Amino acid sequence: QIALKESGPTLMRPTQTLTMTCIFSGFSLSISGEGVGWIRQPPGKALEWVALIYWDDDTRYSPSLTGRLTITKDSSKNHVVLTITDMDPVDTATYYCAHLTRTYFDFWGQGLFVTVSS
Amino acid sequence: SSELIQGPAVSVALGQTVTLTCQGHSLRSYPANWYQQKPGQAPVLVIYRTNNRPAGIPDRFSGSASGYTASLTITGAQADDEADYYCNSRESGGYHWVFGGGTKVTVL
Repeated sequence: QIALKESGPTLMRPTQTLTMTCIFSGFSLSISGEGVGWIRQPPGKALEWVALIYWDDDTRYSPSLTGRLTITKDSSKNHVVLTITDMDPVDTATYYCAHLTRTYFDFWGQGLFVTVSS
Repeated sequence: SSELIQGPAVSVALGQTVTLTCQGHSLRSYPANWYQQKPGQAPVLVIYRTNNRPAGIPDRFSGSASGYTASLTITGAQADDEADYYCNSRESGGYHWVFGGGTKVTVL
């Protein structure tokens, strides 16, 4: 069974860099077609796709956040790391990681709520 | 265009049928997926690649598409179906992913 779990700080100050880890099990990010994405959701608002990394290290970033994002993977340790630089209060959100199987996100983590406040 | 447009809210009487729509240029080229999200919970996939149900999703959920529009239909809505529903697909160029703004479903 596939499972994912996000971890990281829950309180950030403006301008700081956020680093979150997604630890997963039940699949290998070394296998063709596999991917892990990050999706966020500000309080009371819609889901927003943030970033994605594929089995072959191909990375994709949301155009609205490009320049601030870096996504990496360690397939041997079954984890994916997302960093977001220059955090702002508008980045306050629940951050989810999710397993991508070719064309859809089928399993999601429970989410990590990150508050950005001075 | 990278947008997927959903109506904000819809209500349905218990046991009746409701159809949610999702519009976007990318849907002409890429299939839609649908997620159900209840308050305080992570999204759950209910339809993938236009009209496929994952294991464990009741068959009252179905999907379809035509042109620039994808649809999610709940036939015989139950109280447990009250939630926000989001569509998702690739954007038109196929390089990025996008979610719709979500539709809140209330079961009366």
